[in-house]
Amino acid sequence: KQEVTQIPAALSVPEGENLVLNCSFTDSAIYNLQWFRQDPGKGLTSLLLIQSSQREQTSGRLNASLDKSSGRSTLYIAASQPGDSATYLCAVLHASGGSYIPTFGRGTSLIVHP
Amino acid sequence: EAQVTQNPRYLITVTGKKLTVTCSQNMNHEYMSWYRQDPGLGLRQIYYSMNVEVTDKGDVPEGYKVSRKEKRNFPLILESPSPNQTSLYFCASSFAGGPRYTQYFGPGTRLTVL
Repeated sequence: KQEVTQIPAALSVPEGENLVLNCSFTDSAIYNLQWFRQDPGKGLTSLLLIQSSQREQTSGRLNASLDKSSGRSTLYIAASQPGDSATYLCAVLHASGGSYIPTFGRGTSLIVHP
Repeated sequence: EAQVTQNPRYLITVTGKKLTVTCSQNMNHEYMSWYRQDPGLGLRQIYYSMNVEVTDKGDVPEGYKVSRKEKRNFPLILESPSPNQTSLYFCASSFAGGPRYTQYFGPGTRLTVL
């Protein structure tokens, strides 16, 4: 059974720092990996989706990488801002043909202070 | 505005009293799903639907029912709620293929069962 771990569980940084959030998974036979942002009272917002054949995806100050063989993904946030404060979740979808059930990590709670 | 809506947003009820949480999307998505989020456990999928009249179990379907009679709506039914169903519930939708593509989440419904 796929297990997804996110480290660290919580992170507090000053504004302007570049930071890396980690996501690891136990079964490398994945279809894709998604990074989400969760804000209190607002549900989840998809940030980046990496297909298994891709190594990275970029959107603005965000860059997500995927190393399927080692079971790892990182989310890099450049020049962090207080508005980046949220919980970041990664979710992995297994590669089996009939799989439509993603496995989520427990998230990294990020605080960026001015 | 493209969105997924859930109602109610907050609900306190008592054990055994049937309830329905509604979910509606205006993006003409084929795939819809329900998740619950519990501290320390992350998001877990309850049920999903690939299209109208097509539903299937997720990881934690016990105690829940769903129906998909219209493309835009996917209600979650708790026929006899119990305290262990106290949780934060999210509805999500996407185009055919579900989590193989970007998922859009509703704002969440916080349910307390006394």
